[in-house]
Amino acid sequence: ETGVTQTPRHLVMGMTNKKSLKCEQHLGHNAMYWYKQSAKKPLELMFVYNFKEQTENNSVPSRFSPECPNSSHLFLHLHTLQPEDSALYLCASSQESSGSSEQYFGPGTRLTVT
Amino acid sequence: GQNIDQPTEMTATEGAIVQINCTYQTSGFNGLFWYQQHAGEAPTFLSYNVLDGLEEKGRFSSFLSRSKGYSYLLLKELQMKDSASYLCAVRDSNYQLIWGAGTKLIIKP
Repeated sequence: ETGVTQTPRHLVMGMTNKKSLKCEQHLGHNAMYWYKQSAKKPLELMFVYNFKEQTENNSVPSRFSPECPNSSHLFLHLHTLQPEDSALYLCASSQESSGSSEQYFGPGTRLTVT
Repeated sequence: GQNIDQPTEMTATEGAIVQINCTYQTSGFNGLFWYQQHAGEAPTFLSYNVLDGLEEKGRFSSFLSRSKGYSYLLLKELQMKDSASYLCAVRDSNYQLIWGAGTKLIIKP
């Protein structure tokens, strides 16, 4: 238990569906992240929020839409996804987005797009 | 481009020692992290190096040479529960973490 929770843990959705992933951190951190993890590939950083402000958007397709209503909650809204978007989506938090602070990860949402 | 290289898979015997290497080429350097990830679970933080040398933490040690762009994670007295993937990540000049693909470590009895 790392203090970062994610729901749902598993999600199967069709290409025309709209769904949202939720992340919550109970660590009092100021930075939150969305990562995509595909088999045998490095973690891909998707979005970074620092003090609720988006600071990074690594050329992520617009079918992924993040939302950070406060420093404890992070959402990833999904719509019209493609089969290649099937992956493990990890949320993480850290004290801040720079410096030496390590990131704490949630258990991830295993997404399958059919 | 930025690149982190680590072996895809390694096998070791319970009770033995294993060294997992990581080489990196990044735009700037602001620290190197090692994470452990068991199958189906979240990555968990193991160690952080920003200065050259060895950092020891129980059975695990991590070494850094900034001039060589090289780090290793040393695991001693291996236990079956150490079977996991080990991820190397470097923080670049923009404080962004660049990740390796991970090394899957298989421990045999």
